[in-house]
Amino acid sequence: DTAVSQTPKYLVTQMGNDKSIKCEQNLGHDTMYWYKQDSKKFLKIMFSYNNKELIINETVPNRFSPKSPDKAHLNLHINSLELGDSAVYFCASSQASGDETQYFGPGTRLLVL
Amino acid sequence: GDSVTQMEGPVTLSEEAFLTINCTYTATGYPSLFWYVQYPGEGLQLLLKATKADDKGSNKGFEATYRKETTSFHLEKGSVQVSDSAVYFCALNNFGNEKLTFGTGTRLTIIP
Repeated sequence: DTAVSQTPKYLVTQMGNDKSIKCEQNLGHDTMYWYKQDSKKFLKIMFSYNNKELIINETVPNRFSPKSPDKAHLNLHINSLELGDSAVYFCASSQASGDETQYFGPGTRLLVL
Repeated sequence: GDSVTQMEGPVTLSEEAFLTINCTYTATGYPSLFWYVQYPGEGLQLLLKATKADDKGSNKGFEATYRKETTSFHLEKGSVQVSDSAVYFCALNNFGNEKLTFGTGTRLTIIP
């Protein structure tokens, strides 16, 4: 009964490969997010979707493409992976109106070799 | 733009010591303020929040009061435990902004 789940938990891959990270929430929320946490633990928003529509795209390279097949899922596809993409990626969700608290998934630890 | 400034860590305390982690913010309007905690190897968990001036958020013995006059949301706990060792993030959400702006995080280590 995990509220926000992500797969995989760990991802090790070579430079130049394409990979996807999946996120699902069972909280009935309208809005979902992707955040990136770098090696110094700094967290920054990448994307936000509300009811499957892109709301925020924070100057992320276009190698990163989020996809929301329905409002319970927000996947992140990364093309041509680079060393600098190594990080922990967190998915989160919130309700669009009322309580704006964001609930986070466990994170996906991506290592690009 | 919006920003959050946290005291730099790491912070090391003995068990049962008093904890304060400072957090100040810059934002237009009236943001909601949050403390999230990240235990080793885990994701972020909401620790507490406050949505308007003078509100006090509290959870698990931690407290923080939304001070608009000083634009601060300092985290306090009267007696820390080894299990409180984690990274603590202060964050704000400005109405209509649809994103959390985080501080840099403060690593807290409690020694027995």
